[in-house]
Amino acid sequence: DAGVTQSPTHLIKTRGQQVTLRCSPKSGHDTVSWYQQALGQGPQFIFQYYEEEERQRGNFPDRFSGHQFPNYSSELNVNALLLGDSALYLCASSLVTNHRGTQYFGPGTRLTVL
Amino acid sequence: KQEVTQIPAALSVPEGENLVLNCSFTDSAIYNLQWFRQDPGKGLTSLLLIQSSQREQTSGRLNASLDKSSGRSTLYIAASQPGDSATYLCAVRRSNYQLIWGAGTKLIIKP
Repeated sequence: DAGVTQSPTHLIKTRGQQVTLRCSPKSGHDTVSWYQQALGQGPQFIFQYYEEEERQRGNFPDRFSGHQFPNYSSELNVNALLLGDSALYLCASSLVTNHRGTQYFGPGTRLTVL
Repeated sequence: KQEVTQIPAALSVPEGENLVLNCSFTDSAIYNLQWFRQDPGKGLTSLLLIQSSQREQTSGRLNASLDKSSGRSTLYIAASQPGDSATYLCAVRRSNYQLIWGAGTKLIIKP
């Protein structure tokens, strides 16, 4: 049973560029959440997708957008990259019917913006 | 606005010691609280989840407690081992499923 997978593992971009990060949820899960974790900080919630729609959003600008596909996988897109977008981006999956809300995390994508 | 604080930010102890990590939160209206472990360059592993109606959870050498009224949780690690070295994060879940995280405690267990 594959867990949550993310690609790529590492990514280097320059300011102003656009980036797409990908996430495949744990088998059987239907909900995907994205988090940004700056160095030395706890993760910050970006948004959550369920049934191919953004269900919740944290305090992130519109440069951050996402998508969920019919197979429940998800993408995180960031436009007009800033130096401050450098961080570890974590994807977590869960099952909407699991009221405990247990989330399973992927290994993350390390984004460096130069 | 919910804020989560973890103290200390870093902790170094000799192998074999029992230790306590602290987590505090400002809004007691939480759905549950989770403790996670993060190893360098890796994702997050859930250790314990305490529902708002529960007082504690145990898994092996780990015990987590929750006091909603005072906005505090502790993670107790018994008989620490070098393999316990990692960053430990706590996160509270609001009713809208969003997780609010502390900045973590970096734990080093010296052999």
